[in-house]
Amino acid sequence: QVQLVQSGSEVEKPGASVKVSCKASGYTLTNYGVNWVRQAPGQGLEWMGWISPYNDNTNSAQKFQGRVTMTKDTSTNTAYMELRSLRSDDTAVYYCARGKQLFDEFDIWGQGTLVTVSS
Amino acid sequence: EIVLTQSPGTLSLSPGERATLSCRASESVSSSYLVWYQQKPGQAPRLLIYGASSRATGIPDRFIGSGSGTDFTLTISRLEPEDFAVYYCQQFGRTFGQGTKLEIK
Repeated sequence: QVQLVQSGSEVEKPGASVKVSCKASGYTLTNYGVNWVRQAPGQGLEWMGWISPYNDNTNSAQKFQGRVTMTKDTSTNTAYMELRSLRSDDTAVYYCARGKQLFDEFDIWGQGTLVTVSS
Repeated sequence: EIVLTQSPGTLSLSPGERATLSCRASESVSSSYLVWYQQKPGQAPRLLIYGASSRATGIPDRFIGSGSGTDFTLTISRLEPEDFAVYYCQQFGRTFGQGTKLEIK
């Protein structure tokens, strides 16, 4: 069964970092890229970035450049997204989603990880 | 950056009716990269339509995507109770529209 399973909820203080994991099963991360999308409470979807299946190349939205790092571990078939210098407006559900190439549709989504930033 | 504007913001209809959702781009978008998702409360989005008009695996044929250039439409030909949700369009695997909430009248 093709699926993405994400790590559990996190509570962080302003200024801290958070790292969310996304484990793929039923296929390998070397064949499909991984996107990261977030959704603030009651708001819409916001694309954060994508990591290539073929190497460690990434492409991120300008708003997150310098603050987000996307990586993957092919030995465990797990992708990671780290967001640094957290602010209260980073409170959101973070999703990983499969997309073969950079501009492709997202056909499989993780269940989401709630990250709460609060002092 | 291309902006996608969805209308209406909220659409109130009854089961059995036809729904027409619009997605307008601030500049021309390749149809190959125009996508629609459905999201229900507490759930992750689900891929409905890719390439502007191709249904994803398992999506019923009452969901119809159309359009080109700057104007795209998602039509649900005959609403079922499970279709009431929020719908998002997306272009080039990046920008999302703000969403249309389809609610039961």
